[in-house]
Amino acid sequence: DIQMTQSPSTLSASVGDRVTITCRASQNIITWLAWYQQKPGKAPKLLIYKASNLESGVPSRFSGSGSGTEFTLTISSLQPDDFATYYCQQYNSYLLTFGGGTKVEIK
Amino acid sequence: EVQLVQSGAEVKKPGESLTISCQGSGYSFTSYWISWVRQMPGKGLEWMGRIDPRDSYTDFSPSFQGHVTISVDKSISTAYLNWAALKASDTAMYYCARLIKAGDYGDTFDYWGQGTLVTVSP
Repeated sequence: DIQMTQSPSTLSASVGDRVTITCRASQNIITWLAWYQQKPGKAPKLLIYKASNLESGVPSRFSGSGSGTEFTLTISSLQPDDFATYYCQQYNSYLLTFGGGTKVEIK
Repeated sequence: EVQLVQSGAEVKKPGESLTISCQGSGYSFTSYWISWVRQMPGKGLEWMGRIDPRDSYTDFSPSFQGHVTISVDKSISTAYLNWAALKASDTAMYYCARLIKAGDYGDTFDYWGQGTLVTVSP
């Protein structure tokens, strides 16, 4: 299996902050990476696909970058609605795997 | 409107069997694979496996192979997740999700069910 490691596991930030979350793959996944947002008690929501493509309807303050084994999700100016847990997911292998998640908390 | 509607919460004892369901609507059910994803209490997302509703082909994460089965009934646009013998460690929220499987989206998930909470306790 391809292992996905996210850091940090928890992040404390304030409204307006620039936030960066990192996801590392145990082997080269090219750019076959997605990012999801999950709020408590809700199903995940797709934000980014193929590492840097913004899903329709997702605010432009979200962006993704990276290739190979290292990827980032950036929120350019954190909004109250963005406090949530974020997961990366690789789909280079037919065995899909998620990162462990990064919880973005209010500072 | 695309929807995946899952069956309700379940409370079971270890060793019991269980089937939970996920009914799709608002789209051609056989055009999209369905996956199941586990989320244990306070933990992250784990991909369990997926099924092609056209021919019921399945594949599984090694972590779940042999412990669960996935099936579909095309006639009622419903996918199922089944356990023959539950363990306490199966206590979790289970989500079904639709795989896009197109172009750069590949095996990403665009629509999700609301989740089914399974509690396994003596």
